[in-house]
Amino acid sequence: QQQVKQSPQSLIVQKGGISIINCAYENTAFDYFPWYQQFPGKGPALLIAIRPDVSEKKEGRFTISFNKSAKQFSLHIMDSQPGDSATYFCAARGDSNYQLIWGAGTKLIIKP
Amino acid sequence: EAGVAQSPRYKIIEKRQSVAFWCNPISGHATLYWYQQILGQGPKLLIQFQNNGVVDDSQLPKDRFSAERLKGVDSTLKIQPAKLEDSAVYLCASSRAGTRAEQYFGPGTRLTVT
Repeated sequence: QQQVKQSPQSLIVQKGGISIINCAYENTAFDYFPWYQQFPGKGPALLIAIRPDVSEKKEGRFTISFNKSAKQFSLHIMDSQPGDSATYFCAARGDSNYQLIWGAGTKLIIKP
Repeated sequence: EAGVAQSPRYKIIEKRQSVAFWCNPISGHATLYWYQQILGQGPKLLIQFQNNGVVDDSQLPKDRFSAERLKGVDSTLKIQPAKLEDSAVYLCASSRAGTRAEQYFGPGTRLTVT
């Protein structure tokens, strides 16, 4: 119940295309869902986050879509650029347990 | 504002040797985290400090791992003796006080145990 399942493991997208990464969870106590971006040799950095009272959050080219009934959330990167090439992690955290539960990561490559 | 600093960046040791990692959090951040990130996996929390007290060390293998945060600022994580399966990136993160505060990560220390 504490797992967050992330897919795909790796993704190759052409420049200008849409990158979509999906995550699913089981624990209905989770109430905070962040996405982190990690470049090689760097630590993860918070990209965008959502709470389950909204179905979508957009920041620039990055959008989180959230489906509470399906217990799924996804990251969409519009107009993907080579600089977006990185590993992306979804995570979840509950109100009573402050620990972040992380997905396994998606290695995204944007082809020029 | 300076970010989270970690050293060394890379370390190669033989199994059964000991190793120590150092972390300097962002100034003013009361909460400090140590994570282990095995290749191809998300970070796994090892220990969380609030100032110089331990909040959660339930996933720290205490028979070989130890951590301290003297004076509520810098922290060290030690492994003694190291095993092959300890090969990973060790990430330090810090945040302002409060369980919902955003965590800022350092660049990590890549440990290879041979």
